[in-house]
Amino acid sequence: SQTIHQWPATLVQPVGSPLSLECTVEGTSNPNLYWYRQAAGRGLQLLFYSVGIGQISSEVPQNLSASRPQDRQFILSSKKLLLSDSGFYLCAWSSGSGSGSYNEQFFGPGTRLTVL
Amino acid sequence: SQQGEEDPQALSIQEGENATMNCSYKTSINNLQWYRQNSGRGLVHLILIRSNEREKHSGRLRVTLDTSKKSSSLLITASRAADTASYFCATLSGGSYIPTFGRGTSLIVHP
Repeated sequence: SQTIHQWPATLVQPVGSPLSLECTVEGTSNPNLYWYRQAAGRGLQLLFYSVGIGQISSEVPQNLSASRPQDRQFILSSKKLLLSDSGFYLCAWSSGSGSGSYNEQFFGPGTRLTVL
Repeated sequence: SQQGEEDPQALSIQEGENATMNCSYKTSINNLQWYRQNSGRGLVHLILIRSNEREKHSGRLRVTLDTSKKSSSLLITASRAADTASYFCATLSGGSYIPTFGRGTSLIVHP
């Protein structure tokens, strides 16, 4: 069966510090991978998605970046965090096969980031 | 921009009652999905309904889709306190593999 891991679960970082959040998927190959941010009481904002190793698409301009060094690894980074980067970060995967028309997403447990 | 918009934003009911949440969207879709999120946790996929389907059931969940009105509803029958969560709809359009999520409905079921 497939599983998705995210770490750390919680993180408190000072403004201006770097960030690295990691997401790994097990039990599937060539997944589509996604990073979302969720502000308190709000919906999901898609940050990045990837359809393959080294292929990253950004949805919104910001001081975050993403990388996919391996097929089932997705990393969210920042060189200098801003207060506005605080939020709940969710990684998700969906099947990379077919047209994607019927693809459901499977979410990780999330990382709660607080920037002080 | 948001494709799916849930209504109501918040819903508070007693255990045993039915809960109905609605989702409206703007453009043609391939499918619509409903997800559940417990506080501080990731989203869990509940049901996917395709554009050529009108109704789908899963346990106490019933989802309807009206493509002419561009709307869907999620009905939870005989609600339980454990159903307390936020519920999101998400749509997939064209050849996209990127679902667009609404802002969610916060459901509270009082024991």
